[in-house]
Amino acid sequence: DSGVTQTPKHLITATGQRVTLRCSPRSGDLSVYWYQQSLDQGLQFLIQYYNGEERAKGNILERFSAQQFPDLHSELNLSSLELGDSALYFCASRRDNSPLHFGNGTRLTVT
Amino acid sequence: AQSVTQPDIHITVSEGASLELRCNYSYGATPYLFWYVQSPGQGLQLLLKYFSGDTLVQGIKGFEAEFKRSQSSFNLRKPSVHWSDAAEYFCAVGEPGTASKLTFGTGTRLQVTL
Repeated sequence: DSGVTQTPKHLITATGQRVTLRCSPRSGDLSVYWYQQSLDQGLQFLIQYYNGEERAKGNILERFSAQQFPDLHSELNLSSLELGDSALYFCASRRDNSPLHFGNGTRLTVT
Repeated sequence: AQSVTQPDIHITVSEGASLELRCNYSYGATPYLFWYVQSPGQGLQLLLKYFSGDTLVQGIKGFEAEFKRSQSSFNLRKPSVHWSDAAEYFCAVGEPGTASKLTFGTGTRLQVTL
């Protein structure tokens, strides 16, 4: 158990809809990262937050957004969903310069 | 831009045999290097990491990896594979001085035959 909790585990929704994925980092970790894992793109870094502030952006679409709250949990919001957004979405957390610790992911299926 | 290549998409080994998974990276300096393992339905678990110093690093579950600067490689090895090692293995690089914003390889799926 990595200590990173992601909910829900599975999500099935229709095209055009909006969903929110939630992540609780390990206790004491200030940094939260979001990754997308798809068959065609592999593991892609989306965005990073540190103590509530956005720190880095990767290949994140404009339809996607994220935030980190004062209690350090984070949410990834995906809107106007398309079939191609179907993927595993991972959250990871870390403190200082330690390696990333990943959650078990949320599997999103867009129908 | 940094990149990671895992040339083997799928590898099959017999239980008890030795294993080597290849990883090559492209980066201007020596990056931070990682190997992660992903079992079905699970997240990524860190096996080992290289930041600096001894080029042979030991990880969990009996894995080790060797950093070879001249070959820009960071291959993962295990002397004797167990059936429970069947999973997908990812090599990743991070910018020196940070372990964040990792760039992952495409992964190698390991199958273990009994």
